Amino acid sequence: QSVLTQPPSVSAAPGQKVTISCSGTSSNIGNNYVSWYHQLPGTAPKLLIYDNNKRPSGIPDRFSGSKSGTSATLGITGLQTGDEADYYCGTWDSSLSVVVFGGGTKLTVL
Amino acid sequence: QVQVVQSGAEVKKPGASVKVSCKASGYTFTGYAMHWVRQAPGQRLEWMGWINAGNGDTMYSQKFQGRVTVIRDTSASAAYMELSSLRSEDTAVYYCAREGPAGGYYFDYWGQGTLVTVSS
Repeated sequence: QSVLTQPPSVSAAPGQKVTISCSGTSSNIGNNYVSWYHQLPGTAPKLLIYDNNKRPSGIPDRFSGSKSGTSATLGITGLQTGDEADYYCGTWDSSLSVVVFGGGTKLTVL
Repeated sequence: QVQVVQSGAEVKKPGASVKVSCKASGYTFTGYAMHWVRQAPGQRLEWMGWINAGNGDTMYSQKFQGRVTVIRDTSASAAYMELSSLRSEDTAVYYCAREGPAGGYYFDYWGQGTLVTVSS
């Protein structure tokens, strides 16, 4: 399966802002919507962003998404200790006809 | 409210099959696709396939073609994923996840996960 590339880890202090990148190709991110999820240990992923930049109801506006070309970015402002989790990007790959996910980024709030 | 509840953990021997259930409530089951995603220990999420809960059409990842079958029971508002010829590499948490109302292969509600352990 095609792989979306994310940094293994990011960190920032409480109250600060962090961004997580997700790099793909024209067959996935370049021509399809991107979604973002966070996952606490031992729990199911939870949707944060869909269609590149839309937030489901209940997700605070501290979370934002953007896409440019074959890369997408998740932004989190006003970091809280409760934001510590693994974050995954996902999208459809038109060439492989599969949903592909990034390898995940572990966010540490120092 | 929308809920997606999966069946409990399973332990299987290599070569066996496993069937995981996924019961939905709080929405019109036939109006949404249901996807299956697995996560091996310490690994990324891996998409397996999906079913159109309305008409029963399915689509599977090439990786699992021939080994995976997804069906649904509209009377029970449930979907089922069966994986056959299990091997140790299939040890993972298996999730069902509802596709969002706007389509586009994003998943707005997830089951709690079912741990499948393949061990002799």
